[in-house]
Amino acid sequence: AQRVTQPEKLLSVFKGAPVELKCNYSYSGSPELFWYVQYSRQRLQLLLRHISRESIKGFTADLNKGETSFHLKKPFAQEEDSAMYYCALSGGMKTSYDKVIFGPGTSLSVIP
Amino acid sequence: DTAVSQTPKYLVTQMGNDKSIKCEQNLGHDTMYWYKQDSKKFLKIMFSYNNKELIINETVPNRFSPKSPDKAHLNLHINSLELGDSAVYFCASRTKGGGAQYFGPGTRLLVL
Repeated sequence: AQRVTQPEKLLSVFKGAPVELKCNYSYSGSPELFWYVQYSRQRLQLLLRHISRESIKGFTADLNKGETSFHLKKPFAQEEDSAMYYCALSGGMKTSYDKVIFGPGTSLSVIP
Repeated sequence: DTAVSQTPKYLVTQMGNDKSIKCEQNLGHDTMYWYKQDSKKFLKIMFSYNNKELIINETVPNRFSPKSPDKAHLNLHINSLELGDSAVYFCASRTKGGGAQYFGPGTRLLVL
């Protein structure tokens, strides 16, 4: 069964410190992995897709198929990074109507 | 210019009433979704439509009835509202080849 876990419900770091938000998944095929960010009372926005291998706002994420993980990292946290972060998984059919499964989210708070 | 829009933004109503939320996307996407975000920020998929056809129905009570008049619109009608329906409802859309979802701004529903 498809499943996404984010073990930390809340994560607090000091400004300038490194941050890592963990995401693990279970899926039998080759999934597509995403990170979405939701700033306070706003819509969810795409942050990263694993296939694009981009760095957005200083964040990176590497898909580790052996550990079935897709952790989100940033070397120096900024106050504006405070938000809710969701890891999401889409199945291997590569069609628009694949079910997209979201993790429970991690609330990141960056302390000035 | 807005990619995915929802109306209304806020909805306050009494238990037992019937209400509708509308969603429109101008991205030319084939698939649209409804998600419910509860007070703990957990995001749960409710429905998915692909080109006006229902694809995913995640054991949502039949008081909830989605309707897609065309592939750019997906509306959600809720009958006999209950206190537990209070949440933020997000609409999203996605293109044919998979990839990222684009979310609407959300509709905050409060049932009194």
